Parts: sequence; C-alpha cells; structure tokens
Amino acid sequence: QVQLQESSPGLVEPSQTLSLTCSVSGDSISSGKYFWTWIRQPAGKGLEWIGRFYITGSTNYNPSLGSRVTMSLDTSKNHFSLRLNSVTAADTAVYFCASGTRDPGVFDYWGQGAFVTVSS
Amino acid sequence: DIVMTQSPDSLAVSLGERATINCRSSQSLLHSSNNKNYLAWYQQKSGQPPRLLLYWTSTRESGVPDRFSGSGSGTNFTLTISSLQAEDMALYYCHQYFITPYTFGQGTRLEIK
Repeated sequence: QVQLQESSPGLVEPSQTLSLTCSVSGDSISSGKYFWTWIRQPAGKGLEWIGRFYITGSTNYNPSLGSRVTMSLDTSKNHFSLRLNSVTAADTAVYFCASGTRDPGVFDYWGQGAFVTVSS
Repeated sequence: DIVMTQSPDSLAVSLGERATINCRSSQSLLHSSNNKNYLAWYQQKSGQPPRLLLYWTSTRESGVPDRFSGSGSGTNFTLTISSLQAEDMALYYCHQYFITPYTFGQGTRLEIK
C-alpha cells in the first residue's frame, strides 16, 4: 500500500516560486509502476490536474499553466516534486500528490493535501 | 480540453433513498481499442482528499460498498447510490482520463434530507 505525504512552505510571495515535495512510502518511486501526479483544489472549488511525471523522465503538464510548472523525481529520497514559477493569488490552493495502479489517469493513492497561500 | 459537466450541483436525499448524479463530457470517453470508457468517480469529504469510488465507468474500487454503482457510455454517465447512508454525505466528482489534460466535473454536493 503506497502512502503519500506532501510537504509545503505554506506561504509563498507573489511572483516567487512555489515548491512542493511528495514523500512516497510503501514502494519505490522508481519501480516504474506509477505515474506521479499533482492535482490542486482552490478553496471551495473543484479539482484541477496539474501534471504528471514518469520514471523515464516523461512528463505531461496542463497547458493552462503554460511553462510555469516543472516536476521531478528524487530517487535517493523516494520523493517527487512540483515547482510552479511566477505565482499569483490564483495559485492559492490545496495541492495534492496522487498516483495509482489502475491506470495512469486513475488515482487510488492520495496525499492529505498541502495548503499553499500566495500572499505578500 | 474535455469539459465535464455534472448535474445537479447539489442534491438532498433522504436516508435509504436512491441518489443519482449525472455527468456529461464534451467528447466521447469511449476508446475504440479496448471498448472502455475512461471515466472515474471520486467522493470527497470535508478536509479530506478525494477517494476513488469507480473507474472504467463501473468498476468498483476495493472497499467501496456495493450500493455505489456507475453506468453510461460515450458522453453520458451516472453515479447511483442505491440506498443512501449518513456517511455518504460528501462532494462527488466525475473525472475523465481519456486524454490529458485530465479534467474533473465541477462537483455535486450530496446532502441528507
């Protein structure tokens, strides 16, 4: 059973870079069995898929975020990361890391979520 | 992007009664190679991450009670809770994983009448 846990700075200033890490336990991040995904949810709103990373280095990002997003894996620490540049208040949200075994697009594993506020 | 539209936005149902949530996609989620619809349903309770209920339209995730069922094909899908329990009060999202960017419906809030 894979478990995911996000770590977050909590508060990020506008125009700065948001950095989040998702620690994985229960399996190796480099096993090749999973796509590692980020999803966010603004307060009181719906879910937005940010993108995903696979161990081969393959990535898919949501075009709505343009070139602001970067994902990576750290196999030595068994965690994966999200970086979102040039943040604005619109990036304030709960950020979830997720993955799954049913299909690359089905998420049966979720972190508890990390709330990130963009404010000066 | 594929737009997912749920109806209704909110629903109040009495305990023991049936609850039905609809989801429509802006393009077909049926893949011709495997005849599967790339549609999942999630339940989200306050302060928690979403929980996977159903995938491939109607395949129940392990541990999900059999009162939850899914149906539909192409662009029209339904989540049915056959006999509502108090613990079913939550937000429900449909989700297409046919093509990236994956997208979700706006959510349906299910309340107990």
